[in-house]
Amino acid sequence: GAVVSQHPSWVICKSGTSVKIECRSLDFQATTMFWYRQFPKQSLMLMATSNEGSKATYEQGVEKDKFLINHASLTLSTLTVTSAHPEDSSFYICSVRVGQIETQYFGPGTRLLVL
Amino acid sequence: GQNIDQPTEMTATEGAIVQINCTYQTSGFNGLFWYQQHAGEAPTFLSYNVLDGLEEKGRFSSFLSRSKGYSYLLLKELQMKDSASYLCAASDSNYQLIWGAGTKLIIKP
Repeated sequence: GAVVSQHPSWVICKSGTSVKIECRSLDFQATTMFWYRQFPKQSLMLMATSNEGSKATYEQGVEKDKFLINHASLTLSTLTVTSAHPEDSSFYICSVRVGQIETQYFGPGTRLLVL
Repeated sequence: GQNIDQPTEMTATEGAIVQINCTYQTSGFNGLFWYQQHAGEAPTFLSYNVLDGLEEKGRFSSFLSRSKGYSYLLLKELQMKDSASYLCAASDSNYQLIWGAGTKLIIKP
């Protein structure tokens, strides 16, 4: 598998501020990382695919100007929630895809609470 | 369209066996994944099937029938720590994962 870390694990912020979440692949060079969002008692929702050295691919309905993704190296992708609002409060999880069968391994997640 | 169906919730008794079913419809198919997600945590990989048949891994087994678009996860000798949500995900022709909504498994003593 792959070991993935996320930082921070918890964020509480005021409405209107920006929050940056880091996703690191600790033992694998990941050209592709994925960002998901999960609201309470709901399934994972893919937000975007992060590609090293190029622009991210966003899913339909996800605002690329609000959720900025930077994948500057093979081990780090960042998600910035700009001008966060209470409705952005959610569990944000990243993953890397590994191996011939392209299994996704997830980071521990970041819980965001916007007041 | 692409779709994954699995039951919303199941209840089982400690020490028993439970089978969680999943049906899928995808554009192309490159395998079926099962993940376990404990409350408040990220999903962890359990199993992968791409050929028909049963894959056994300790107390957990996963089955696939490609012709029927059907898979199940079988959990034996249930333990309280198995209380979690179990997510079924199918890989489509672009290796994108199509996720089910998850099955919440409640284990009673």
